[in-house]
Amino acid sequence: GAGVSQSPSNKVTEKGKDVELRCDPISGHTALYWYRQSLGQGLEFLIYFQGNSAPDKSGLPSDRFSAERTGGSVSTLTIQRTQQEDSAVYLCASNRQGAPYGYTFGSGTRLTVV
Amino acid sequence: QQQVKQSPQSLIVQKGGISIINCAYENTAFDYFPWYQQFPGKGPALLIAIRPDVSEKKEGRFTISFNKSAKQFSLHIMDSQPGDSATYFCAANAGGGNKLTFGTGTQLKVEL
Repeated sequence: GAGVSQSPSNKVTEKGKDVELRCDPISGHTALYWYRQSLGQGLEFLIYFQGNSAPDKSGLPSDRFSAERTGGSVSTLTIQRTQQEDSAVYLCASNRQGAPYGYTFGSGTRLTVV
Repeated sequence: QQQVKQSPQSLIVQKGGISIINCAYENTAFDYFPWYQQFPGKGPALLIAIRPDVSEKKEGRFTISFNKSAKQFSLHIMDSQPGDSATYFCAANAGGGNKLTFGTGTQLKVEL
């Protein structure tokens, strides 16, 4: 596609429920990143996928968070047993292998846990 | 651990004025410093970037100034326009690695 696509754009969920957020990167981009944007907290790195390599999960805040990337393309970020502090905008970005710069971000998923 | 510190958190500038946003870093391995611009409801977009082998880079009304010894870099927006109103993030990357470390963002408002 022409850009990074994320869905849903908005998600309201009840505390304790599981949610899945989807990211469809730019075709041909082998690197995919998830970031979390909380008010006043900047962009917090969550996880990074590069080709067939093991993902860098060093930013995941707890074991309630997980992500997978199927077929080297679409990625799903799953948050289990959501808490109110999980409320944030979740951003996905992608770029080409060997081009560690110039991320292209999607418009994000705004998650609200009530 | 906040490796890139950004200030101010918010900034109001009159149309035609100069907007200045500052960032400081700690990790001397950082060798790539981009700035991203984010409009409401959109993801951040790359605006301009610099490497530490130069002290300044200019693209149109946007200039990055870089001070390697002080481990600081700044974004200057000349002749600021209402359309520049957005959130700006500085970032840094080390050694060709893929992970960017972002500052906390500056919300810029340019008033008429």
